[in-house]
Amino acid sequence: GIQVEQSPPDLILQEGANSTLRCNFSDSVNNLQWFHQNPWGQLINLFYIPSGTKQNGRLSATTVATERYSLLYISSSQTTDSGVYFCAVAMNTGNQFYFGTGTSLTVIP
Amino acid sequence: NAGVTQTPKFQVLKTGQSMTLQCAQDMNHNSMYWYRQDPGMGLRLIYYSASEGTTDKGEVPNGYNVSRLNKREFSLRLESAAPSQTSVYFCASSGSIGTQYFGPGTRLLVL
Repeated sequence: GIQVEQSPPDLILQEGANSTLRCNFSDSVNNLQWFHQNPWGQLINLFYIPSGTKQNGRLSATTVATERYSLLYISSSQTTDSGVYFCAVAMNTGNQFYFGTGTSLTVIP
Repeated sequence: NAGVTQTPKFQVLKTGQSMTLQCAQDMNHNSMYWYRQDPGMGLRLIYYSASEGTTDKGEVPNGYNVSRLNKREFSLRLESAAPSQTSVYFCASSGSIGTQYFGPGTRLLVL
């Protein structure tokens, strides 16, 4: 299967700080997604981004498919950003997905 | 739109008992998935169904069976539960674009 590594595993930020989360993957993929799991366990899709750059408010993501990595940027962090961020990849849509072990983010007021 | 729904939300089983986890989606998605989440291990795919009438094994299929009942529903069955199957189970669905939408999860404790 595809190996997915996320870094850092844990991150503690002061409210208002910026951060960059990284996802490396071991094979060519056609599907890459970022998810946020909130403290209540709900998984929310943030980005579908197999290549290129997307922005949604304070969050943006960039995937460089040829170099097999993706970055998630969080700017002006808020306490509601706390939770675990997962990267997931698949070779094709509707195919087997592989998740990283996540980055646990804590934002302190 | 309810999105992806799962039942039950929480279940306690004794070793050897069987149960079926139910999942339904109302987004007309072709693909559906079952994952388990264990502490520190992220999500691991148990089974998936790329379209109605097809199912395939994921990373950790042993001890589980699935049924794609129709386009809306995808169930996961544990025939003889074991303590190693204590976990949180998530169902997800995706359409042609490939974005996955997750249900709220089922917490299963096997004693």
